[in-house]
Amino acid sequence: KNEVEQSPQNLTAQEGEFITINCSYSVGISALHWLQQHPGGGIVSLFMLSSGKKKHGRLIATINIQEKHSSLHITASHPRDSAVYICAVRTGNQFYFGTGTSLTVIP
Amino acid sequence: DAGVIQSPRHEVTEMGQEVTLRCKPISGHNSLFWYRQTMMRGLELLIYFNNNVPIDDSGMPEDRFSAKMPNASFSTLKIQPSEPRDSAVYFCASRLRASGHYEQYFGPGTRLTVT
Repeated sequence: KNEVEQSPQNLTAQEGEFITINCSYSVGISALHWLQQHPGGGIVSLFMLSSGKKKHGRLIATINIQEKHSSLHITASHPRDSAVYICAVRTGNQFYFGTGTSLTVIP
Repeated sequence: DAGVIQSPRHEVTEMGQEVTLRCKPISGHNSLFWYRQTMMRGLELLIYFNNNVPIDDSGMPEDRFSAKMPNASFSTLKIQPSEPRDSAVYFCASRLRASGHYEQYFGPGTRLTVT
């Protein structure tokens, strides 16, 4: 059983569409991270959340601690958003990672 | 700042050889993380350090793996002896562990191939 589940695994969208990626987890956490891995392999940390909602540009991340669920939203998607998005949770000294959502945005 | 620096970027070695991966964190950061990424298992945390001290190494797969952080600006991950199943991309990340600061900055990774 995976401690972190992401959905969908793969997502294809047209440029301009609103995108939602979901992350559910089964452990008590101190923080949740959203990471973006570019096609070239580089990883960028997008958000760290412990409650509520954060926004950075066209990206919005929310977390519901009671429901053990987080969502990553991308507004007005663009082909440069094409990447793998990984959800990671921290509990104590442990980190657990989702398998990632592969997003392709078509012009 | 140049960001997190990892070397080498690519390493190809034969089974049984010793492999040493290197990481230079961002200056001023006091936490350092080593991750491994494979197609089968995705991203996994191997070990992390706070102020050069290993905090949790439960992710280290077995005794063939060891990591050191002799000072705040350098860390190594060593595999001895290496095996084909160690082939993966190894990422190093650093962060400033302080109130309100949790963002990790990732290096470009080292792609290791063990034949």
